[in-house]
Amino acid sequence: AQSVTQPDIHITVSEGASLELRCNYSYGATPYLFWYVQSPGQGLQLLLKYFSGDTLVQGIKGFEAEFKRSQSSFNLRKPSVHWSDAAEYFCAVGGPATDSWGKLQFGAGTQVVVTP
Amino acid sequence: NAGVTQTPKFQVLKTGQSMTLQCAQDMNHNSMYWYRQDPGMGLRLIYYSASEGTTDKGEVPNGYNVSRLNKREFSLRLESAAPSQTSVYFCASRAGGMTEAFFGQGTRLTVV
Repeated sequence: AQSVTQPDIHITVSEGASLELRCNYSYGATPYLFWYVQSPGQGLQLLLKYFSGDTLVQGIKGFEAEFKRSQSSFNLRKPSVHWSDAAEYFCAVGGPATDSWGKLQFGAGTQVVVTP
Repeated sequence: NAGVTQTPKFQVLKTGQSMTLQCAQDMNHNSMYWYRQDPGMGLRLIYYSASEGTTDKGEVPNGYNVSRLNKREFSLRLESAAPSQTSVYFCASRAGGMTEAFFGQGTRLTVV
């Protein structure tokens, strides 16, 4: 069965500091991996995605993530956080959008607070 | 572009009442999803439809039914609402293959 673990429920970071959010997954085949962000009262917006190839992927808003197969991880990073990055972040794993492989499993989320 | 549209945005139900949450996408996507979001639990999959005419249970299907009416629409029905179904419900859609899911704005449902 597929699963996603986001070990950090809540992270507080100073504006301008670096940010790293952890994501570990369990999946029975080559995973498709995603990071989504949710601002208060809003829907989910895709930050970045990994399907294959280069294990370091770039996303929107200056975020990047690295796929490490040996560690079953897909951690999200940003070198310098802005106040507008305060939000909840979700990691997700799944397969191609055909038959049952297309189910997407989400982690419990990490709430990011940015202090001045 | 509308993307994924959910109706209603807010709803209050009494225990035992029934209702249907509507979802429509205009991106010609094959796959559609229903999730519920509860504090500290992330998004949990209720039902999934890989294509028109097919549906599959997710992690938390009990108390819900779905209908994939056509390629555009995927509805979620609560036959007899319970307080435990108080949640924010999200619909999503996805094209085939190596693609991401696109989400609607959510429906906040309160069962009293």
